[in-house]
Amino acid sequence: EAQVTQNPRYLITVTGKKLTVTCSQNMNHEYMSWYRQDPGLGLRQIYYSMNVEVTDKGDVPEGYKVSRKEKRNFPLILESPSPNQTSLYFCASRFDRGHEQYFGPGTRLTVT
Amino acid sequence: GNSVTQMEGPVTLSEEAFLTINCTYTATGYPSLFWYVQYPGEGLQLLLKATKADDKGSNKGFEATYRKETTSFHLEKGSVQVSDSAVYFCALSARGSTLGRLYFGRGTQLTVWP
Repeated sequence: EAQVTQNPRYLITVTGKKLTVTCSQNMNHEYMSWYRQDPGLGLRQIYYSMNVEVTDKGDVPEGYKVSRKEKRNFPLILESPSPNQTSLYFCASRFDRGHEQYFGPGTRLTVT
Repeated sequence: GNSVTQMEGPVTLSEEAFLTINCTYTATGYPSLFWYVQYPGEGLQLLLKATKADDKGSNKGFEATYRKETTSFHLEKGSVQVSDSAVYFCALSARGSTLGRLYFGRGTQLTVWP
């Protein structure tokens, strides 16, 4: 089954404790992205990647890092999480610009 | 630059009512346009898309037509159901973008009452 998986689905952590949210897709897609969704703000892109070792900042990259060492994986790293990074995070992938973007199920992160 | 503006919600309708959610865009070049839907507690999924001017995307009774002259991609459905209650996002993919990023509107919450 074609899918994007994210782990964990739910995470509660404390300020400053490094964490990684994993994202993996099994469709051999080149494009992958991370978004955060906040009430009243919709979906905002954090980082995106066109292919292995090719990444770029989206609208809200501060406080986040990403890496794309393999085509299927695109982890999101929070080196020192802060409460303003409490949000619902989505990973997504697609084959090409005009094609459908497939979303993961979301990771709800709470930073206290 | 590239951006998407969609009507603010929430939108509340009775079952079988007509639905329109407005979406306009600004883009360099000729973008592809999408509507995504997010049901409660789930991720986003593609509802329909159009890749060139005058194309009509349709799915599950929803329709949207790519209007280049008005830079719009309004979502319509003739008779909504309670099961259509969700958040709807308009999005564009800019052809000129070297990294193929997707731009989303802020989303419109739709609630349909029986």
